[in-house]
Amino acid sequence: DGGITQSPKYLFRKEGQNVTLSCEQNLNHDAMYWYRQDPGQGLRLIYYSQIVNDFQKGDIAEGYSVSREKKESFPLTVTSAQKNPTAFYLCASSWGDLAKNIQYFGAGTRLSVL
Amino acid sequence: GEDVEQSLFLSVREGDSSVINCTYTDSSSTYLYWYKQEPGAGLQLLTYIFSNMDMKQDQRLTVLLNKKDKHLSLRIADTQTGDSAIYFCAEPIKAAGNKLTFGGGTRVLVKP
Repeated sequence: DGGITQSPKYLFRKEGQNVTLSCEQNLNHDAMYWYRQDPGQGLRLIYYSQIVNDFQKGDIAEGYSVSREKKESFPLTVTSAQKNPTAFYLCASSWGDLAKNIQYFGAGTRLSVL
Repeated sequence: GEDVEQSLFLSVREGDSSVINCTYTDSSSTYLYWYKQEPGAGLQLLTYIFSNMDMKQDQRLTVLLNKKDKHLSLRIADTQTGDSAIYFCAEPIKAAGNKLTFGGGTRVLVKP
């Protein structure tokens, strides 16, 4: 089955710890995205990548880092510099910089602070 | 805050029609999208409309587009309890490589 897989579904972070959220897609999409969703709010873009080995900051990149070493993978690291990491994190992918930029989403990872 | 605006909440009785409204910003947007999010899940694409269309119908869903007012609406006919979810409209921003900007979402509650 084609799709986007995020893992883990739930993640807990201790004070001062970095944690990495996984996102894998087998849709052969060029572009991948990370969003943060806070309760009762919309999506805010953290980072995006339109091609392997390249990525750009979104609206709220501070305290986060990403890599794009493979087309199918776009892991997000929530660093200790992110002081309020508790949120629902969503990964998406699309064909990229086209007028019809339909994004397909994973099921999300819920991150909480211990 | 979001540049794409939506009302926060809509309550509707089962069997009635729901209308969810959205105001977007980029008049050059070629496509506009509606996504659905069920509790604890990711976003699922419901439908989209090309900007040269005024209306698109897909089974129980009707999308209306008013480009002059930059207003988009989603009508769900015969609303069911399974339609209870958060609905997001989204537009690509041409100046930003067609990245999608999402509205804040409208929570729809369907009462039996």
